[in-house]
Amino acid sequence: GNSVTQMEGPVTLSEEAFLTINCTYTATGYPSLFWYVQYPGEGLQLLLKATKADDKGSNKGFEATYRKETTSFHLEKGSVQVSDSAVYFCALSRTGGSYIPTFGRGTSLIVHP
Amino acid sequence: IAGITQAPTSQILAAGRRMTLRCTQDMRHNAMYWYRQDLGLGLRLIHYSNTAGTTGKGEVPDGYSVSRANTDDFPLTLASAVPSQTSVYFCASSETGSPGGYTFGSGTRLTVV
Repeated sequence: GNSVTQMEGPVTLSEEAFLTINCTYTATGYPSLFWYVQYPGEGLQLLLKATKADDKGSNKGFEATYRKETTSFHLEKGSVQVSDSAVYFCALSRTGGSYIPTFGRGTSLIVHP
Repeated sequence: IAGITQAPTSQILAAGRRMTLRCTQDMRHNAMYWYRQDLGLGLRLIHYSNTAGTTGKGEVPDGYSVSRANTDDFPLTLASAVPSQTSVYFCASSETGSPGGYTFGSGTRLTVV
């Protein structure tokens, strides 16, 4: 079956540091891949997505590249801010027909001034 | 503003009581989902519906029921609440077959005492 594995947190960084949150997946076929962000007390929001191999999703300075050869979709940001403190979820879904999304367990990011 | 509305935002419920969590979307998405979020366990799928009139069981369906009488509404019912159902519940929707990602509600925080 489908599964998503994320690095365990919390990840603690100083402001302006480089961020990487690892995500690997197991899936049949060719899934679409997503990163979601959850700020304290809120629901999940779509951060970025990639729908095919070698696609790069980007938004708000965050990037992730769909690597089929390594089944990975690592999230990166060159310079984090305190406002980026949140929980980040990697997810996948199949395209076409009916499907159920699969989420990782989430990685908490804490950014200190 | 297009999106998902969940109600109530929070609730304290006596064990053994019946409770319905409401979820309404205005995006005409075919698919809807209910997740519970617990610390250390991430998001777990309770029930889903790929289209109006159909529902399916997720990872943790016991003690919960759903219905999908129309496209917009997807209520989740706890027939007889137990303390282990204390959690934050999120409703989500998506367009079946589309890699567009999922839209989440703001959640219902339920405490069963």
